[in-house]
Amino acid sequence: GESVGLHLPTLSVQEGDNSIINCAYSNSASDYFIWYKQESGKGPQFIIDIRSNMDKRQGQRVTVLLNKTVKHLSLQIAATQPGDSAVYFCAENRGSGGSNYKLTFGKGTLLTVNP
Amino acid sequence: EPEVTQTPSHQVTQMGQEVILRCVPISNHLYFYWYRQILGQKVEFLVSFYNNEISEKSEIFDDQFSVERPDGSNFTLKIRSTKLEDSAMYFCASSEERTGEKMGHFGNGTRLTVT
Repeated sequence: GESVGLHLPTLSVQEGDNSIINCAYSNSASDYFIWYKQESGKGPQFIIDIRSNMDKRQGQRVTVLLNKTVKHLSLQIAATQPGDSAVYFCAENRGSGGSNYKLTFGKGTLLTVNP
Repeated sequence: EPEVTQTPSHQVTQMGQEVILRCVPISNHLYFYWYRQILGQKVEFLVSFYNNEISEKSEIFDDQFSVERPDGSNFTLKIRSTKLEDSAMYFCASSEERTGEKMGHFGNGTRLTVT
């Protein structure tokens, strides 16, 4: 069935290393994707988004890659810091069209950064 | 930076009681959303709201749920007769742009506990 899912439920990295968090989606009609960070006790925090007409987008220390051929999305965090420790969700838009957004979230990956 | 604010942060209620969860979206935003997250699970879409009416709703949003924008600043979610399985974090979100892109403005949530 249609789903947005994550390959790994947990990821542990050393401070200063680069982190890669992966996400698979199965709805080829999805046209907009967002990565969120969720810290304990807080709501999802927008990190970066990408539309389906792009394959890469960069932000501050973060890069999102979209591979539509294999329906795969990844979030790369450069020089990971302890403050990056959180749960990371990918989400895809499955709204009914136009400007209405109905996000479908993946299960989340827990990123732990070891000092 | 403007924030979406939600009150209360934690609501405890008995099964069968009505609850109202409150949200103050960012002031110039036009689109409003409710999501929920059962402990340890994915964030799930409930409903989107625009121009004083529901744009889209999920199968979770049955006739026990309703939303309202009673004035120019508040956006509420009402559950008429709570069930144990309604226990979850409820997140309000809002977006500014017509396309809904960069829909990253979530509140920190209300934890609803139904006993």
